[in-house]
Amino acid sequence: GQQVMQIPQYQHVQEGEDFTTYCNSSTTLSNIQWYKQRPGGHPVFLIQLVKSGEVKKQKRLTFQFGEAKKNSSLHITATQTTDVGTYFCAGVAYNQGGKLIFGQGTELSVKP
Amino acid sequence: NAGVTQTPKFQVLKTGQSMTLQCAQDMNHNSMYWYRQDPGMGLRLIYYSASEGTTDKGEVPNGYNVSRLNKREFSLRLESAAPSQTSVYFCASRGDRGYGYTFGSGTRLTVV
Repeated sequence: GQQVMQIPQYQHVQEGEDFTTYCNSSTTLSNIQWYKQRPGGHPVFLIQLVKSGEVKKQKRLTFQFGEAKKNSSLHITATQTTDVGTYFCAGVAYNQGGKLIFGQGTELSVKP
Repeated sequence: NAGVTQTPKFQVLKTGQSMTLQCAQDMNHNSMYWYRQDPGMGLRLIYYSASEGTTDKGEVPNGYNVSRLNKREFSLRLESAAPSQTSVYFCASRGDRGYGYTFGSGTRLTVV
């Protein structure tokens, strides 16, 4: 079945450093979504990418969707302590009834 | 604006007991989902309902049943709980394309 792999599993950074998490799917995706989950909280939708090669920015966050629509990345510039949490990518494959399959997540910790 | 409401927030069950997790959304969304979250494994889809009156299996449906009671409510039932079902359960709903899932705050279930 469809698989979505995400690396790294954990990332520890000093405040002000950059952070990147990568997502790879075993199948071509119709779209990919990114979520953030704070410790003890629930996933919160950040963004959806649909087009091949698409790049979107939200303040210090940059999201990319690969040309083949099988991989994606999230890059945070100059991390802050408020960025702490787990970042999940989640993909929707074609002909799968719109089911969202999540990657394992990358847990980000930021040292002040 | 409540969004997605899950009850209960915490539950401890003995092996073999049954229980129903409740989920309701007030956003007039057609699609609703049940996920479980275990450490290091991301969120895995248990069951989903693309519209009122329909339900389908996700990645890990064994040991669970669901009911889409009406457009607002989607319940998850454990008929005979097992320790392997200890997890955090999230309900989610989705509106139109282009928007992500809205998650409830979760139910933390422990089976002893």
